[in-house]
Amino acid sequence: SQQGEEDPQALSIQEGENATMNCSYKTSINNLQWYRQNSGRGLVHLILIRSNEREKHSGRLRVTLDTSKKSSSLLITASRAADTASYFCATALSGGYNKLIFGAGTRLAVHP
Amino acid sequence: DTAVSQTPKYLVTQMGNDKSIKCEQNLGHDTMYWYKQDSKKFLKIMFSYNNKELIINETVPNRFSPKSPDKAHLNLHINSLELGDSAVYFCASSQRMAGRWADTQYFGPGTRLTVL
Repeated sequence: SQQGEEDPQALSIQEGENATMNCSYKTSINNLQWYRQNSGRGLVHLILIRSNEREKHSGRLRVTLDTSKKSSSLLITASRAADTASYFCATALSGGYNKLIFGAGTRLAVHP
Repeated sequence: DTAVSQTPKYLVTQMGNDKSIKCEQNLGHDTMYWYKQDSKKFLKIMFSYNNKELIINETVPNRFSPKSPDKAHLNLHINSLELGDSAVYFCASSQRMAGRWADTQYFGPGTRLTVL
């Protein structure tokens, strides 16, 4: 089945810097979502972008979607130590039952 | 006031045992899910119920049996536990809106299952 792939697998930056994570997928989607998982916790929804949208913002988050390249990116601006977590992209397939296919995630470490 | 709760949080058991994990959501959602997250953090859907009806059933051993007594609860029973079942199991819920399936899912805190 389709699976998202994320890049990089791990990212280490200093507070105040921007963090960019990329996600690629294989087949047509209804939407793409980004989730955050803090260590030992459940996933928290960050942002959803539909297949007919190209860019979306939420606070310090900016998500882009390029359906021609089957890729998305998540940009976190002015990162904080509290942003340290794993970030997952998840694709909802066209015509599916809200079945989300998750990527392997990017582990982000933000150092004070 | 946890939105999606799971019990237990940790479960340690011997191979061959049968165990259950419970999930409850107080968000009023009509759809619930079970996911398995392996040691490499890869998250994969197992089952989904909409209004107590099974709608997603991935290629999961039939030792795993979900049960939804009502829209707010989705339990997972596992028979004859194996070493490979060790993982973190997450419950999630969502609400179908205007006939559209693909919407935000809300996750529980997870149940870490260790099979010895």
